[in-house]
Amino acid sequence: QSALTQPASVSGSPGQSITISCTGTRSDVGGYYFVSWYQQLPGKAPKLMIYDVSNRPSGVSNRFSGSKSGNTASLTISGLLAEDEANYYCCSYTTSSTLVFGGGTKLTVL
Amino acid sequence: QVQLVESGGGVVQPGRSLRLSCAASGFTFSSYGMHWVRQAPGKGLEWVAVIWYDGNNKYYTDSVKGRFTISRDNSKNTLYLQMNSLRVEDTAVYYCARGVGADEHIDYWGQGTLVTVSS
Repeated sequence: QSALTQPASVSGSPGQSITISCTGTRSDVGGYYFVSWYQQLPGKAPKLMIYDVSNRPSGVSNRFSGSKSGNTASLTISGLLAEDEANYYCCSYTTSSTLVFGGGTKLTVL
Repeated sequence: QVQLVESGGGVVQPGRSLRLSCAASGFTFSSYGMHWVRQAPGKGLEWVAVIWYDGNNKYYTDSVKGRFTISRDNSKNTLYLQMNSLRVEDTAVYYCARGVGADEHIDYWGQGTLVTVSS
């Protein structure tokens, strides 16, 4: 049950696009289309942004999109806004019927 | 609207026990799987355990197997986490969360309750 691998930090200027990667194994990310992404603002509970690799819950901006190739999933945020500055976590279902999170990525909007 | 309210956190000595509760409202509790997820101070999210909607299946992360027990009372719309043999490294904010879909991915989270294990 090793954590999924995410970059510790990414940054971008307002209006730009950024992508956060999330690498696992065939036992988790690569084995299912069950990857979700969460946004966590300081001192707050996480918020679901993407589920089932690329689906957005109602109310989440279409600036957020997800994809997957092999053992790596990605979250792309387009048209960066200052309010997007937060920590982002990926999460995958596993062959053990458990969930596993990534280590988290701090997004800085310059 | 979906509400999840955790309680039961506090300061406890290593080796002792603590039980967390999570009161659910705004949805049909007995129809959903439920999770516990924790976050150590300044660290990332760590999935802890899940229990299916009917309580018949439970899964745990390796580090808590044999020490923690997840349970639920559907008549009281309440989720529990019994934590025994607590260790310093169990110190974290514990979140209760609702699972949905074939993979039980988390769609709603509580605000969390802080557990501090310290002598």
